[in-house]
Order: sequence, then structure tokens, then C-alpha cells
Amino acid sequence: QVQLQQWGAGLLKPSETLSLTCAVSGGSFTGFYWSWIRQPPGKGLEWIGDIIHSGSTNYSPSLKSRVTISLDTSKNQFFLNLTSVTAADTAAYYCARMVGYCGSPNCETTPLWNYWGQGTLVTVSS
Amino acid sequence: DIVMTQSPDSLAVSLGERATINCKSSQSVLYSSNNKNYLAWYQQKPGQPPKLLIYGASTRESGVPDRFSGSGSGTDFTLTISSLQAEDVAVYYCQQYYSTPFFGGGTKVEIK
Repeated sequence: QVQLQQWGAGLLKPSETLSLTCAVSGGSFTGFYWSWIRQPPGKGLEWIGDIIHSGSTNYSPSLKSRVTISLDTSKNQFFLNLTSVTAADTAAYYCARMVGYCGSPNCETTPLWNYWGQGTLVTVSS
Repeated sequence: DIVMTQSPDSLAVSLGERATINCKSSQSVLYSSNNKNYLAWYQQKPGQPPKLLIYGASTRESGVPDRFSGSGSGTDFTLTISSLQAEDVAVYYCQQYYSTPFFGGGTKVEIK
């Protein structure tokens, strides 16, 4: 069974950098897109971006200037960095696996998510 | 961006009764080349991550009970729970994946 375990600092000051790690176990790391999605308290979900084993990334246009998603295939881990955080970045952050598989020559993925981490609440406050 | 608007914000339904949630997109999410609607529904229970229920507007994910059904096309969609069970208390979100993924604001379902 695929499991995603995530961790990172839960309290940041404005202008600091948010850093989260997501470790994948119980399944293949290659061939899938790995995503970050966030949810402000009491609000809806917002897609942040994703990465595949080749290192190719996609980012939300609204966050692209501040976001970096990277990975370490040797550890089956991927990471989120979000710079210059403000109170508006306060949210539960989730790592997740995208539906579908990207092999060679076919890549059939769909931006839906069927495996999720437990979530990490990140609060930005001075 | 294709923005998703859900209604109502919340609803209370008696056990065994029908619950209906609406989702409207700011542009059509029907892909003309394959006649598929790029619309999904998720269920999120308190303290848990979301769970994918339905994709393609009406296809249930494996293991999802058949009391959950999705309908609609183009810009207007509906999630129906035919006979509400206690374990269905949750917030439900629609999501379009026609373009940059975007979620609705959520509808909270409670027991009356």
C-alpha cells in the first residue's frame, strides 16, 4: 500500500522559507507525478505544483515565483520550498500522488490525487 | 483560471435522505475531442486529507459506495448522496482538471 509521510517546520515568521519533506513508501517512486496541495484553515484546496522522477516540474502560476519542488530518488522523497512567506501562506500542506503513470513511451497522468500524506499545518506569524 | 463555485456552503440532511451538492465552473470543462468532462469530486472528513470519489463527472473511484453519484456536463455539475449515512458527514469539494487544477470552496454536509 502506497504511503506518504510528511514533515517540516510548523511555525514560521514572515519572510522566512517554508520547507517540507514527503517520504514515499510501499510503491514505485518513478513513473508518477508527486504533488503539493495546500488548504488554508476553513477554506478550500489549492494546487501548488508537482514533480516527476526526471525532475520535470509544474507550478501554479500564482505561486511560481516563490515555489521550488525537488526530489531525491535515492531516498524516495520529494520536497517543497516556498520563499518569502506571509500570513496568507498559513495552511495545511499536503503531499500527494497524481493519478496515472508516466512510462516510456506513454505518459498517461491526470491531475487528480488518490494518495495523500497526513498533512502539515504551517502557521506564519510574527 | 477556470473558477469553481459550489452551492450551498452547507446543508443538513436526515439519515437516509438525499443530499445534493452543486458545482459550477466559470468555463466549460467538457473536452470536445473526447467528450469527457474534466470534473472530479472529493470527500474530506475532519482531520483527514481529501479522498477522491468521482472523476470524469460521473465515474466512481474504486471502492466508493454506489450511493454516491455524479452528473452534469459543461459548466454545471451535481454530486448526489442518495441515502445519507452517518459516515458521509464531511466537506465535499469539486475540482476541474481541464486546465490548471482548481478546487471549489467546499460544501459541508451534516446530519439533521
